[in-house]
Amino acid sequence: GQQVMQIPQYQHVQEGEDFTTYCNSSTTLSNIQWYKQRPGGHPVFLIQLVKSGEVKKQKRLTFQFGEAKKNSSLHITATQTTDVGTYFCAVGGKLIFGQGTELSVKP
Amino acid sequence: DGGITQSPKYLFRKEGQNVTLSCEQNLNHDAMYWYRQDPGQGLRLIYYSQIVNDFQKGDIAEGYSVSREKKESFPLTVTSAQKNPTAFYLCASSIGQGPGQPQHFGDGTRLSIL
Repeated sequence: GQQVMQIPQYQHVQEGEDFTTYCNSSTTLSNIQWYKQRPGGHPVFLIQLVKSGEVKKQKRLTFQFGEAKKNSSLHITATQTTDVGTYFCAVGGKLIFGQGTELSVKP
Repeated sequence: DGGITQSPKYLFRKEGQNVTLSCEQNLNHDAMYWYRQDPGQGLRLIYYSQIVNDFQKGDIAEGYSVSREKKESFPLTVTSAQKNPTAFYLCASSIGQGPGQPQHFGDGTRLSIL
């Protein structure tokens, strides 16, 4: 079945540093979604990408979809403590989730 | 407010016991899902339902059962056949099933074995 690999599994940064998580698939994707799960919470939908090479921004968050629609990235500029949590990519109709990247931010 | 309600928040199961996790939504969504989350892992799909009275197995359905008698409700039963049930269970819903449908999640139920 469809699988998606997400790296890194963990990322520890100093507040103010940038952060990037990557999602890779061996097959062409029709779309990709990104979710954030705060510690002890539930996943919350952030954004969806559908077009080849698409770039979307939400304040300090930048989402990219690869030209071949096989990979995607989420980049956070100047992290804050409120960014702490696990970021998941998800693909497909019934959603296959990546393993997630857990971000911790040291004040 | 529209949303998804899961109950209970914490649940303990004895050996050989079946337990049922509740999931109710008032978003008028057609599709509902159950996921299992283990520490350090992503969400794994247990069962999903696109419409009332219909449901499909996900990737890890063994030891679980569901029903979808009402649009609003999608309860999950963890049977005694599930030998490692300790996990965080998340219920979700979406308007329909197909590419481009964001999922809305409940707060989850943490299940532990006594």
